[in-house]
Amino acid sequence: AQSVTQLGSHVSVSEGALVLLRCNYSSSVPPYLFWYVQYPNQGLQLLLKYTSAATLVKGINGFEAEFKKSETSFHLTKPSAHMSDAAEYFCAASILTDSWGKLQFGAGTQVVVTP
Amino acid sequence: SQTIHQWPATLVQPVGSPLSLECTVEGTSNPNLYWYRQAAGRGLQLLFYSIGIDQISSEVPQNLSASRPQDRQFILSSKKLLLSDSGFYLCAWSPPQLRGRDEQFFGPGTRLTVL
Repeated sequence: AQSVTQLGSHVSVSEGALVLLRCNYSSSVPPYLFWYVQYPNQGLQLLLKYTSAATLVKGINGFEAEFKKSETSFHLTKPSAHMSDAAEYFCAASILTDSWGKLQFGAGTQVVVTP
Repeated sequence: SQTIHQWPATLVQPVGSPLSLECTVEGTSNPNLYWYRQAAGRGLQLLFYSIGIDQISSEVPQNLSASRPQDRQFILSSKKLLLSDSGFYLCAWSPPQLRGRDEQFFGPGTRLTVL
């Protein structure tokens, strides 16, 4: 069965430092991949998505992610953290063999930004 | 443009009482619809998904049920709430023609507290 693993349930970064959130998927067929952000008591908002075009994907708010098939990874980065980046981040993978359009979500990574 | 609404935004209910959460989507036709739950400290759990009226699939057996009385309306119900039903409930939609190949769009969520 397909799975999505996010390494680290909590990440603390200093303001201005690099943000790196790790995501690995397990699938025999490379899925489509997504990163979402969730602010407290809000729904999920799409940051970026990989759909088999360019392997380096740029998203909103200065985030980007790189798809690496050999490593089955889709890590999310931002060069310089802002206080407003404090939120929970979810990696998700589409289940391409599923005709109902379900997504497999990782457990999430809570990001704390310190001054 | 498409929008997704959920109500109520917050709800406090006693154990054993019924539940009805509503989700509506505007600006699209025949969307795939999804109900998720986030329990405290846990990730997203897919509860139900639907590809059309009267086409609903359950992911997790429980005391919850879902209905889709209209194309763009998705309702989550329970006859008798349990303490374990507390959580943040998210509705989402995705385009019908790109199943598994496009993002899901999330509503603002409903915070349910069962006492």
